[in-house]
Amino acid sequence: QVQLVQSGGGVVQPGRSLRLSCAASEFTFSSYGMHWVRQAPGKGLEWVSFIWHDGSNEFYANSVKGRFTVFRDNSKNTLFLQMSSLTAEDTAVYYCAREGQCYSTSCGLDYWGQGTLVTVSS
Amino acid sequence: IVMTQSPLSLPVTPGEPATISCRSSQSVLHSNGYNYLDWYLQKPGQSPQLLISLGSKRASGVPDRFSGSGSGTDFTLKISRVEAEDVGIYYCMQGLQIPRTFGQGTKVEIK
Repeated sequence: QVQLVQSGGGVVQPGRSLRLSCAASEFTFSSYGMHWVRQAPGKGLEWVSFIWHDGSNEFYANSVKGRFTVFRDNSKNTLFLQMSSLTAEDTAVYYCAREGQCYSTSCGLDYWGQGTLVTVSS
Repeated sequence: IVMTQSPLSLPVTPGEPATISCRSSQSVLHSNGYNYLDWYLQKPGQSPQLLISLGSKRASGVPDRFSGSGSGTDFTLKISRVEAEDVGIYYCMQGLQIPRTFGQGTKVEIK
């Protein structure tokens, strides 16, 4: 059974940094692109970042570009999100999600982590 | 690409059908013939789950009472007979371009 287990959330002061992790199991992690999606309290889903299966390309939402960095360690089946210069607007539950594959194309975010809460507050 | 869902709130009666619409500001139909439009359900207190991808492909384990249709800019998610476990917030998302973008969400609740 595919699993994505997240860790690393918590309370952090404005301007500080935090790193989130997403440990993958029961699938060939190095074959899949991975996303980060966040959800502010009481709000909808917001896409944050995407990284190719081999880590060779990364993409970011404008709201986090230049402050967040996505990377992965395929030898350890783990995805990361390094967040810096955090503001209150970054307070949210962060989800990692796998980009599914079918018909030789991408087809949806087919597995999601359990989510981890990041609270930016002094 | 801006995604717009309607309605934003949908009270439903168990056993009755339900329909949610999603419109994109640009076509999400790729030259390969696929519509890069997904539907997700976020049940209360849970992570989102994929229901439908590529406009109409049901994800593994999704009951066949859920169906997706549409092409280009207009899409529909239909639940043929709503069950109590279907309550939650439904989101559409376009997968054609980066940044991925979600609709505002449609809250489905039992009358």
